[in-house]
Amino acid sequence: QKEVEQDPGPLSVPEGAIVSLNCTYSNSAFQYFMWYRQYSRKGPELLMYTYSSGNKEDGRFTAQVDKSSKYISLFIRDSQPSDSATYLCAILSGGYNKLIFGAGTRLAVHP
Amino acid sequence: DTAVSQTPKYLVTQMGNDKSIKCEQNLGHDTMYWYKQDSKKFLKIMFSYNNKELIINETVPNRFSPKSPDKAHLNLHINSLELGDSAVYFCASSQDRGQKYEQYFGPGTRLTVT
Repeated sequence: QKEVEQDPGPLSVPEGAIVSLNCTYSNSAFQYFMWYRQYSRKGPELLMYTYSSGNKEDGRFTAQVDKSSKYISLFIRDSQPSDSATYLCAILSGGYNKLIFGAGTRLAVHP
Repeated sequence: DTAVSQTPKYLVTQMGNDKSIKCEQNLGHDTMYWYKQDSKKFLKIMFSYNNKELIINETVPNRFSPKSPDKAHLNLHINSLELGDSAVYFCASSQDRGQKYEQYFGPGTRLTVT
């Protein structure tokens, strides 16, 4: 079993839709959960992070962690064509800043 | 003013050759990383250096040898290149404390082995 599982998609939605991206993880000891966004032919960049359980909101983006079910989610409201990218969930593992990434979900928002 | 830079951006070479990729960060970070992203976009850590010391060494063939001449630079040398080494290689850096989950990635080096 992989430590982080993520459906690679692709996911295609119309502009203005609410997008839900999800990952599951295996180790209940994980505490830091991140979402990185990667545009085509660019390096990933941190979009949001959450520590432990709960929700975090930043503009149109909401990150959610449910530790009881080992499930992490990213919601995008009022999606825009500029949101078209690959979204990677990541978990910080251990004491050496090791990030374990999901496979990434490719999102396309069409006008 | 690029935070994490890599050279070259593209690298096309033949099997059996030896090549190097260079990385530099101007963020003052203590920790640097090499990641490999395969054709399915799966991003996996290869190595991590903290203050020039190797701290993470995933299961990577010993044909790959990282070198950190100082904490702002991390290079990757690959010997006897194989077809399976074709991928995008990303360098990244992060703080040692505080927001250590935030890693800053370079633009990537697209390696194609023919």
